[in-house]
Amino acid sequence: QKEVEQDPGPLSVPEGAIVSLNCTYSNSAFQYFMWYRQYSRKGPELLMYTYSSGNKEDGRFTAQVDKSSKYISLFIRDSQPSDSATYLCAMSEGNNRLAFGKGNQVVVIP
Amino acid sequence: DAMVIQNPRYQVTQFGKPVTLSCSQTLNHNVMYWYQQKSSQAPKLLFHYYDKDFNNEADTPDNFQSRRPNTSFCFLDIRSPGLGDAAMYLCATSRDAAGANEQFFGPGTRLTVL
Repeated sequence: QKEVEQDPGPLSVPEGAIVSLNCTYSNSAFQYFMWYRQYSRKGPELLMYTYSSGNKEDGRFTAQVDKSSKYISLFIRDSQPSDSATYLCAMSEGNNRLAFGKGNQVVVIP
Repeated sequence: DAMVIQNPRYQVTQFGKPVTLSCSQTLNHNVMYWYQQKSSQAPKLLFHYYDKDFNNEADTPDNFQSRRPNTSFCFLDIRSPGLGDAAMYLCATSRDAAGANEQFFGPGTRLTVL
């Protein structure tokens, strides 16, 4: 079993729809949870960062962490064509190592 | 703006011809990382520096080496590139190696091996 599982998609949604992405993990020591956005042929950009369980909202983006279920989610409200990218979940025990998911490609259709 | 810069953005080399990729940062972060990312795959950590201390991942091939001459710069040397080394190479930095460990990535260098 991989440490982090993320369905690579792709996921196509119409503009204005809610995008729902998720990752599951097996390592109960993970405490820090991140979502990175990566545009084609660019480096990952830190989008959301959460410590431990709970929700975090930033504009149209909401990150949720459920440590009891080992499940994290990212929601994008009112999706825009500019949100078309690959979204990578990443998590850490609090050391120098990030465990990444494979990424989920999202396409927002105008 | 504080940032992570990688040069070149695109690099073409021949099979077996050594190549060096560079990374610089203006964030004054202690830790610098090199990742390899192949198409539709998660970034794979090759090694990292905590200040001048080099930390190699166990499964990083000997073909890959790194240098960090000062806080701002880090280099990735591929001594004899093979076709399987064609990938995006990402440099990242973090302020520290513990706690929050937010990593900030550069734009990447896409390496093509002919």
